[in-house]
Amino acid sequence: AQKITQTQPGMFVQEKEAVTLDCTYDTSDPSYGLFWYKQPSSGEMIFLIYQGSYDQQNATEGRYSLNFQKARKSANLVISASQLGDSAMYFCALLPLSGGSYIPTFGRGTSLIVHP
Amino acid sequence: GAVVSQHPSRVICKSGTSVKIECRSLDFQATTMFWYRQFPKQSLMLMATSNEGSKATYEQGVEKDKFLINHASLTLSTLTVTSAHPEDSSFYICSARDHGRPNTEAFFGQGTRLTVV
Repeated sequence: AQKITQTQPGMFVQEKEAVTLDCTYDTSDPSYGLFWYKQPSSGEMIFLIYQGSYDQQNATEGRYSLNFQKARKSANLVISASQLGDSAMYFCALLPLSGGSYIPTFGRGTSLIVHP
Repeated sequence: GAVVSQHPSRVICKSGTSVKIECRSLDFQATTMFWYRQFPKQSLMLMATSNEGSKATYEQGVEKDKFLINHASLTLSTLTVTSAHPEDSSFYICSARDHGRPNTEAFFGQGTRLTVV
C-alpha cells in the first residue's frame, strides 16, 4: 500500500521569497516515482516536477526543485523567488513503478498563498 | 508535452438525467485512464481505473451502475453519471498515462465541473 502525507494545509509566503512544501511518503515498492502538481482555482492539474526513486540527483525545473531524502522518505518541493501566480493548491503524488499497477496516490494538498 | 482533453469543462443538468464526460489522449496511446472526483479544497479521490477493451476497476464505495465507464479505444474513455442527483455535483477529472513511457507523469484533463439542480 502507498501513502502520501502533506502536513501543511496552508502556507503563506512573501513575493520573491522561497518556500518549501512538505511531502512524506510510505511504500513497499522498490521502484517508484514522486510528482508534484499545481492546481490553480481553475481546476486544471499542472505537472511541475518528477523524481525517480533511483535518481542520484535531486530534480530541478526552473524555479522548482525537489529535495529528495530517500532515507527519510521525504520529497519536499522548493519554490524559489515566489510569484503571485504561484498561489494555488499543490499536490504531491507517489507512483509505484514495479508490480504493474502504476496507480498514483495523491496527498491531501497544500494551499499556497503568495503575498505581494 | 502530452495532452489530455476533457469535455465538457462545465455542465449543469437536471436531477434524474444522465451526463457523459469524455477524456481523450490527443497525442499518445493510453491503455489506462483514471477517473477522479474532487470536493472543494480536498484531494483527488480515485473513482476507477479504466482499461482499454475491458471492464473498469472501481474503488471501494463507488457505485458501478451510477458511474459508468467505457474505454472503447486507446485514446478515449468516457464517464457517464447516470440518474444524476444534487449530491453528485462535484469536480471530475481524468488522467492518462503514456503506455509507451511508463516512468512518466500522469497527464490530466482540464476537469469537468458538474452541477445537478
